[in-house]
Amino acid sequence: GAVVSQHPSWVICKSGTSVKIECRSLDFQATTMFWYRQFPKQSLMLMATSNEGSKATYEQGVEKDKFLINHASLTLSTLTVTSAHPEDSSFYICSAHPVGSTDTQYFGPGTRLTVL
Amino acid sequence: GEDVEQSLFLSVREGDSSVINCTYTDSSSTYLYWYKQEPGAGLQLLTYIFSNMDMKQDQRLTVLLNKKDKHLSLRIADTQTGDSAIYFCAESLVSNTGKLIFGQGTTLQVKP
Repeated sequence: GAVVSQHPSWVICKSGTSVKIECRSLDFQATTMFWYRQFPKQSLMLMATSNEGSKATYEQGVEKDKFLINHASLTLSTLTVTSAHPEDSSFYICSAHPVGSTDTQYFGPGTRLTVL
Repeated sequence: GEDVEQSLFLSVREGDSSVINCTYTDSSSTYLYWYKQEPGAGLQLLTYIFSNMDMKQDQRLTVLLNKKDKHLSLRIADTQTGDSAIYFCAESLVSNTGKLIFGQGTTLQVKP
C-alpha cells in the first residue's frame, strides 16, 4: 500500500516550452501533496505544499507563476514548469500525505527534467 | 531556526553494522523519519519514531532517539551491498501538516 506514482519519469524539452508533471496517489487519498526539487548530491528542497481544492502554498524564493501547481482531486496533483530554462533542469519529487494519518509522507519515484 | 544535519558519507564492510547519525535543532519535533534513496529514484520510507519514544526496532533497523541532545541514529545490522544508498533523516514540526525538514543525506557505501 501507500504507492505514489509520477509521470513522466523523465522528460527532455526545449528552452521556452512548458512541462507538466503528474503526481498520483494510487491506493490512498491525499488532501496534501508536496513538491520537492533535488539537485545532484543534495538534499530535497521543498517547493510548495499542494492542498486539494485550494491554492498551493509556496516556499520562500519559489516563483508561483513559474511553477504552477494544481491539486484537483484527492489523488492527483500536477506541477507545470512554465517557460522552462536550463536552470530549471533538476529532479522533481512529489510526496503525498494520506488523509487522517500521522505525519508520514509517501514519495513518488521522481521526474528528471532536462531543459536544452 | 529549523535545521537537520547529517554526516555526508559512511563506508562499511558487508556484514558489519552501520550507524548513521542525525542532529536536529527544533525541540518541537513530533515525528522523526529515516528515508532511503537509491540512485535516480524517489525516497523510500524506512522507519519513523514518535518524539516521545527512545527506541524503535524493525528487523535489521534500530532507531535511537536522544531527545535531550536532539540526536537521532539509524543502525543497520548485518549491512548488505543492497543497503548502499543515500539515507535522509527528516523531522516534522507540527502535527498533521506533513511538512518535513530534511538533512543533507548520508551516502552509505557497503564494500563486499
